[in-house]
Amino acid sequence: GNSVTQMEGPVTLSEEAFLTINCTYTATGYPSLFWYVQYPGEGLQLLLKATKADDKGSNKGFEATYRKETTSFHLEKGSVQVSDSAVYFCALSVTSGGSYIPTFGRGTSLIVHP
Amino acid sequence: GAGVSQSPSNKVTEKGKDVELRCDPISGHTALYWYRQSLGQGLEFLIYFQGNSAPDKSGLPSDRFSAERTGGSVSTLTIQRTQQEDSAVYLCASSLEASGGYNEQFFGPGTRLTVL
Repeated sequence: GNSVTQMEGPVTLSEEAFLTINCTYTATGYPSLFWYVQYPGEGLQLLLKATKADDKGSNKGFEATYRKETTSFHLEKGSVQVSDSAVYFCALSVTSGGSYIPTFGRGTSLIVHP
Repeated sequence: GAGVSQSPSNKVTEKGKDVELRCDPISGHTALYWYRQSLGQGLEFLIYFQGNSAPDKSGLPSDRFSAERTGGSVSTLTIQRTQQEDSAVYLCASSLEASGGYNEQFFGPGTRLTVL
């Protein structure tokens, strides 16, 4: 079956530090990959996505590159802000046998201190 | 336009009672998804609809859980004979389609269910 593995949190950083949140996946077929973010007290929202190998998704200073050879989609940001504090979910989607089951990781909490 | 809405926002019920949770997707979205988010457990996929049909129900935790969607719009998730382990936030999401390049999901605010 399909699965998504994220690094466990919480990840605690100082403002302006470099961020990496690791995400690896297993999937049959050719998945699309996503990062969703859940800010405190809010619902999940899409942060970025990539639909094929070597694509780079980017948004709000965050980036992630679809690496088929390493089955990874690590999230990076060069300089985090306090407002980036949230829970980040890596996810994949793939259609198989006429059915579609999205798969999410367990989420990684990011805490950014001033 | 309006986003995904869910009702009620909070539901407290007694063990053994039935509950019904409602989701209104974004207009025009053909795919609708239900998830359960428990503390420290991440997102657990329950079921999805493409139109009014649910191609795969294997994610539902037990036969006490059922879901339906009518008119390609509103969906209800029903939990019968609730148990304390059913306590969680139930999230609904919708997307233009379930597959292909239009499967970005838009999430609702969730229904927090507490079973006493």
